[in-house]
Amino acid sequence: DTAVSQTPKYLVTQMGNDKSIKCEQNLGHDTMYWYKQDSKKFLKIMFSYNNKELIINETVPNRFSPKSPDKAHLNLHINSLELGDSAVYFCASSQDMTDQPQHFGDGTRLSIL
Amino acid sequence: AQSVTQLDSQVPVFEEAPVELRCNYSSSVSVYLFWYVQYPNQGLQLLLKYLSGSTLVKGINGFEAEFNKSQTSFHLRKPSVHISDTAEYFCAVSPLPGGYQKVTFGTGTKLQVIP
Repeated sequence: DTAVSQTPKYLVTQMGNDKSIKCEQNLGHDTMYWYKQDSKKFLKIMFSYNNKELIINETVPNRFSPKSPDKAHLNLHINSLELGDSAVYFCASSQDMTDQPQHFGDGTRLSIL
Repeated sequence: AQSVTQLDSQVPVFEEAPVELRCNYSSSVSVYLFWYVQYPNQGLQLLLKYLSGSTLVKGINGFEAEFNKSQTSFHLRKPSVHISDTAEYFCAVSPLPGGYQKVTFGTGTKLQVIP
């Protein structure tokens, strides 16, 4: 049973489009994250939610809007996609917000044409 | 603020040989230290972590790391590598808990095990 699952695995789309990535964890964890990994493998946190509440928002453009309908889900919606948004986006979870991210999804590879 | 430096972007090593992946950090406060592994097309997995206590930490898959406060280092070692250890390894730090943990990652070291 997959602990952190995100869909889709691949996303190819054109500049200017709007797209969403979904994430679900079945671990009963309180805290979920979105990370962006660029082409040089540099991993940077974007958002963190604890029990549906936004905890970290790291200087991410307003075009990125996370939504947490419940503590098991954290979705990422991106408006007006730009070339620089091409990256692999990882969802992760941890027991609570004092813990480090323990479980990562397999990533969503976003390619902007 | 914290930062992490992984000096080696790639480390080739023959199968069954020992390996050390280097990690240095900088921080104005006390930190926790982690190593994560990323296999191709997968997310990161936590390999081991140092929170407090013994400076030698053992992790999964036969890896261990040693925390050296004076040298601000947390190098990862394995005495004998296997082909299956081929992956990207990330060192990470976070400040001691004060509400939430913001983990800062290094740029990764690609371990290439040669048969």
